[in-house]
Amino acid sequence: KAGVTQTPRYLIKTRGQQVTLSCSPISGHRSVSWYQQTPGQGLQFLFEYFSETQRNKGNFPGRFSGRQFSNSRSEMNVSTLELGDSALYLCASSWGDRGDSPLHFGNGTRLTVT
Amino acid sequence: KQEVTQIPAALSVPEGENLVLNCSFTDSAIYNLQWFRQDPGKGLTSLLLIQSSQREQTSGRLNASLDKSSGRSTLYIAASQPGDSATYLCAVRPRGTSGSRLTFGEGTQLTVNP
Repeated sequence: KAGVTQTPRYLIKTRGQQVTLSCSPISGHRSVSWYQQTPGQGLQFLFEYFSETQRNKGNFPGRFSGRQFSNSRSEMNVSTLELGDSALYLCASSWGDRGDSPLHFGNGTRLTVT
Repeated sequence: KQEVTQIPAALSVPEGENLVLNCSFTDSAIYNLQWFRQDPGKGLTSLLLIQSSQREQTSGRLNASLDKSSGRSTLYIAASQPGDSATYLCAVRPRGTSGSRLTFGEGTQLTVNP
């Protein structure tokens, strides 16, 4: 069974630009979550989608948004990039809708903002 | 607000040693606790998931315990090997909200020396 796939693996963008990251969950998983990982803040929850609906949202500005498609694939968008947005962005999928199934993570997208 | 702490932040041991990694959390109202490992530049690999009603889980040389009332979990690694070198993260899923929002600790960076 294929794991969680994130594309692209690396991105370099300039301040002010926008970026879209993609995540394909494990087949059959309906929940997709996004996390930001930085050396200073560690892993922080961005948002979660279940059956195309945003179910939870973390404490990030409105520049960070996402969506989920009917096939459970998800995209995350960051507009007006800032230097502080440089991070490893991780996507995770899980099967259940009650929060009691394990999360499986992809290898992430490394975003560098210059 | 749930806070997760991992001690020690870094650990260096000789090959073959048995070791214990610690994780503590401030709010005992959790669905479950999950242990992950992260290799440099990679995503997270799920190791063990303990539901709030369970006391421990085992997988191969790994054993994780959970004491929800005291807000503690330990990850025991038996007969450590150089391939176990990685950062180990614990994460809790809060009870009371649906979904897959996890709160992570800062991790323990483990080095196993040949």
